[in-house]
Amino acid sequence: QQQVKQSPQSLIVQKGGISIINCAYENTAFDYFPWYQQFPGKGPALLIAIRPDVSEKKEGRFTISFNKSAKQFSLHIMDSQPGDSATYFCAAFSHNTDKLIFGTGTRLQVFP
Amino acid sequence: EPEVTQTPSHQVTQMGQEVILRCVPISNHLYFYWYRQILGQKVEFLVSFYNNEISEKSEIFDDQFSVERPDGSNFTLKIRSTKLEDSAMYFCASSVDRNTEAFFGQGTRLTVV
Repeated sequence: QQQVKQSPQSLIVQKGGISIINCAYENTAFDYFPWYQQFPGKGPALLIAIRPDVSEKKEGRFTISFNKSAKQFSLHIMDSQPGDSATYFCAAFSHNTDKLIFGTGTRLQVFP
Repeated sequence: EPEVTQTPSHQVTQMGQEVILRCVPISNHLYFYWYRQILGQKVEFLVSFYNNEISEKSEIFDDQFSVERPDGSNFTLKIRSTKLEDSAMYFCASSVDRNTEAFFGQGTRLTVV
């Protein structure tokens, strides 16, 4: 119940395309859902985050869609660029713990 | 922009030796964390620290691990007797409050030989 399931494991997108990464969870106590971007050899960098009181949050080319009833959330990267090539992790935080639970990661490759 | 800094960036140690990984969290943050990432795998929670004590720890964080905030700025992770399976990237993170944005450092790559 503490897991966050993430798919796909890897994703190849052409420059200008839309990248979509999906996550699902079971624990209804989760109430904060960040997405992290990680480049090789670097730490995870916070990209965008959402709380379950909204269904969508957009920041530039990055959008989180959140479906509370289905317990699913997704990251959409519009107009994907080669510089977006990285590993993306969804995560979830519960109000009654101190730990972020990470998904298994999606390796995104954007080709010119 | 404030950031979490970690030292060293890479540490090689012999099995059975003690290592200390160091972190300087963002200055106005109150919650501190250690996570680890075995090569190619997901990021796993180790421990959280608030108000000078451990607030939560995972099953990975056994008696071989300890954390300390020896002064007002540093936050350390000590592994008493390293094992081969401790080889991983260790990330320090901090946040202003519980259940808010956690900012991660660049990590320390620990290699146990």
